[in-house]
Amino acid sequence: GDSVTQMEGPVTLSEEAFLTINCTYTATGYPSLFWYVQYPGEGLQLLLKATKADDKGSNKGFEATYRKETTSFHLEKGSVQVSDSAVYFCALIQSQGAQKLVFGQGTRLTINP
Amino acid sequence: NAGVTQTPKFQVLKTGQSMTLQCAQDMNHEYMSWYRQDPGMGLRLIHYSVGAGITDQGEVPNGYNVSRSTTEDFPLRLLSAAPSQTSVYFCASSYGQIYGYTFGSGTRLTVV
Repeated sequence: GDSVTQMEGPVTLSEEAFLTINCTYTATGYPSLFWYVQYPGEGLQLLLKATKADDKGSNKGFEATYRKETTSFHLEKGSVQVSDSAVYFCALIQSQGAQKLVFGQGTRLTINP
Repeated sequence: NAGVTQTPKFQVLKTGQSMTLQCAQDMNHEYMSWYRQDPGMGLRLIHYSVGAGITDQGEVPNGYNVSRSTTEDFPLRLLSAAPSQTSVYFCASSYGQIYGYTFGSGTRLTVV
């Protein structure tokens, strides 16, 4: 079945550091790919998405590129802030069928001032 | 737009009690899902629906029932609460693949 694998956390960085959170997926066909963010004590918010190969999603300084050849959707940000501390989830929705959202296990990110 | 509304936000149950977690969306989304999130863990799919009158099981359906009589509402019923059901429950809805899902703010359930 479809699955998403994220880099293991937790990840701790200093403010203004460069961030990469790796995400790879296994799916047939052409899924849409997403990054969700969960701030402490809150629900999940859609951070960015890409719906076809080579698309780049971007929001709030974060970006990720849909790489079909490597089945990857890595999240990057050039200069992180303390306010970026959260749990980040990579996810996919398959192009056919029940449109279920399949999540990776999540990566906890902590940014120190 | 209210988005996805979940009630209650917090609930404490005794073992063996039953209750219904409410979920309503006002975006005319066809697809709806329930997830649970245990401490320090990711999200696991409980049940999902592809439209009014159509539901199916996710990866952890035991102990839960759902129904979808209208497009707007997708309640989750706990039949006989157990401590293992202590979790945060999220409801989500979507138009479909390219749009992603919109999540509610969650219900924090404790079973004692």
